[in-house]
Amino acid sequence: SAVISQKPSRDICQRGTSLTIQCQVDSQVTMMFWYRQQPGQSLTLIATANQGSEATYESGFVIDKFPISRPNLTFSTLTVSNMSPEDSSIYLCSVLLAGIYNEQFFGPGTRLTVL
Amino acid sequence: SQQGEEDPQALSIQEGENATMNCSYKTSINNLQWYRQNSGRGLVHLILIRSNEREKHSGRLRVTLDTSKKSSSLLITASRAADTASYFCATDPGDSSYKLIFGSGTRLLVRP
Repeated sequence: SAVISQKPSRDICQRGTSLTIQCQVDSQVTMMFWYRQQPGQSLTLIATANQGSEATYESGFVIDKFPISRPNLTFSTLTVSNMSPEDSSIYLCSVLLAGIYNEQFFGPGTRLTVL
Repeated sequence: SQQGEEDPQALSIQEGENATMNCSYKTSINNLQWYRQNSGRGLVHLILIRSNEREKHSGRLRVTLDTSKKSSSLLITASRAADTASYFCATDPGDSSYKLIFGSGTRLLVRP
């Protein structure tokens, strides 16, 4: 398995500001993903974070709103830009470990509230 | 978009009883996975069943998969109060993207 940390664990932000969420893994991973979980809902994939290249976004999510970086194999950031109350959600990163291509391991999540 | 639908949306049982949750999906899959989430935090992987498997066990968990009906079920036997959580199925479409498509989830409450 892997130990995955996310920072911050929670935050309360003002409308119009941006927040960057960090995801750090203690093992080398092959793939990293970012999910959003709106209140009372299931998880929706935002994008696949690709090392050294632009992230691959799912339908309905765009780079200007959710820029993602992945400078190395064990670290990624997701920025929620120009936030509105509709962005209030839990944001989770997940990883696939090298050699284990079926089971995704999830971080503890970042609970974001936008006022 | 979400592929899976789960039922029931919510389930309340007494400790010691069995809990059954069902998941349906729409497209072909490589595998189907079940996750647990406590209090809106991170997800814990419970069990994975491959598309060529029909049943799998892990401790008090039993998962079945019917690819002809595009459905799966998760059975938790002899439930405990600590099993109270939300349970999600997730499908791997097998397109080498490795991304997961999550179902809508079942909120399970086990009353002591």
